[in-house]
Amino acid sequence: DIQMTQSPSSVSTVVGDTVTITCRASQGSGSWLAWYQQKPGKAPKLLISAASSLQSGVPSRFSGSGSGTDFTLTISTLQPEDFATYYCQQANSFPITFGQGTRLEIK
Amino acid sequence: QVQLQESGPGLVKASETLTLTCTVSGGSIRSHYWSWIRQSPGKGLEWIGYMYYSGSTNYNPSLKSRVNILVDVSKNQFSLRLNSVTAADTAIYYCARFWGVTGVLNAFDIWGQGTMVTVSS
Repeated sequence: DIQMTQSPSSVSTVVGDTVTITCRASQGSGSWLAWYQQKPGKAPKLLISAASSLQSGVPSRFSGSGSGTDFTLTISTLQPEDFATYYCQQANSFPITFGQGTRLEIK
Repeated sequence: QVQLQESGPGLVKASETLTLTCTVSGGSIRSHYWSWIRQSPGKGLEWIGYMYYSGSTNYNPSLKSRVNILVDVSKNQFSLRLNSVTAADTAIYYCARFWGVTGVLNAFDIWGQGTMVTVSS
């Protein structure tokens, strides 16, 4: 199985800041990498697929990049509603696997 | 737009079979691939498997010996059956649409709200 490792596990920051979350795959995963946002008590919400393709309706302050084994999710000019947990997920090979999550907290 | 809703018992006894149903509304189950995913504090998000209405399936090898995903096209529903459950199967279970912007399936773009299942001894 491809192991997905996210860093950091948690980050405290403030509204208006820019934050970058990294996801590293244990094996090359092409560009089939997705990012999700999850808020307490809710299902994950797809933000980005294919490493950099922004889902319809997702604000442009979210962006993704990377290929192979290293991927990043960048959130620019953080808004209050962005404080949540973020997960990466690879679909380059089965089984599909997820990262352990990065919790974005308000400082 | 397409919406998903999970249903099923919230409590299952150990060694028995967990059965959940996902109802697809706002679209045809024939049009896409559909998946089950679970989330527990200990194991995070875990993909269980996916199916197509034709009956084609793909399961996570870690669960393959115990899982079946079935479809009922007439009801626009698909279901999860997980047998011989243990406490380790306690989790929130989500159904989701398996999708890809380029036609290559690679992400889950629509999710149900999730249903909590507890395995009791």
